Amino acid sequence: DGGITQSPKYLFRKEGQNVTLSCEQNLNHDAMYWYRQDPGQGLRLIYYSQIVNDFQKGDIAEGYSVSREKKESFPLTVTSAQKNPTAFYLCASSLDGTTNEKLFFGSGTQLSVL
Amino acid sequence: DQQVKQNSPSLSVQEGRISILNCDYTNSMFDYFLWYKKYPAEGPTFLISISSIKDKNEDGRFTVFLNKSAKHLSLHIVPSQPGDSAVYFCAASVRNYGQNFVFGPGTRLSVLP
Repeated sequence: DGGITQSPKYLFRKEGQNVTLSCEQNLNHDAMYWYRQDPGQGLRLIYYSQIVNDFQKGDIAEGYSVSREKKESFPLTVTSAQKNPTAFYLCASSLDGTTNEKLFFGSGTQLSVL
Repeated sequence: DQQVKQNSPSLSVQEGRISILNCDYTNSMFDYFLWYKKYPAEGPTFLISISSIKDKNEDGRFTVFLNKSAKHLSLHIVPSQPGDSAVYFCAASVRNYGQNFVFGPGTRLSVLP
């Protein structure tokens, strides 16, 4: 069954701590993305990657970091520099990142600050 | 400045009636539009899309209309069912210009039995 798996579903971060959100896909998609959703707002792009070992900043990249060492995996690290990390984080993928085909989303990770 | 707007945060409709969700955009370069449906604590799922070369696209109970001159699109759901109760996001992009999806804030649809 192909899809995108995000883990954990819920995550708590202490002050000054870095946390990493996992995203794995078995759709053989080239492009992967991280979005952030805040209440009453649309999804905002944090980072995206069109190909392995390459990634680009989105609209709100400050305080976040990513890696794309494997086609299937695109983990997101929320660093201590991100002062307002509480949000619902969504990972997505698409067949490729140039023709804007539809995005497939994971089920999300809710991050909260303790 | 929001490039994609969904001015109705919520909408309630009786089961069996038509639901109309609206979306406005400001960037005239957008040429590809999508609607996503999202249940609580889940990721959005793709519903329907439309390219700017069309003014209507239909898929079962879902129809999207595009009015390019007004920079407006709408999603019609007929007939509405209780399972349609969810948040609906409109998204827009400039096709063939790399990753450039812009999402609206969403409209929460409640279909009452």
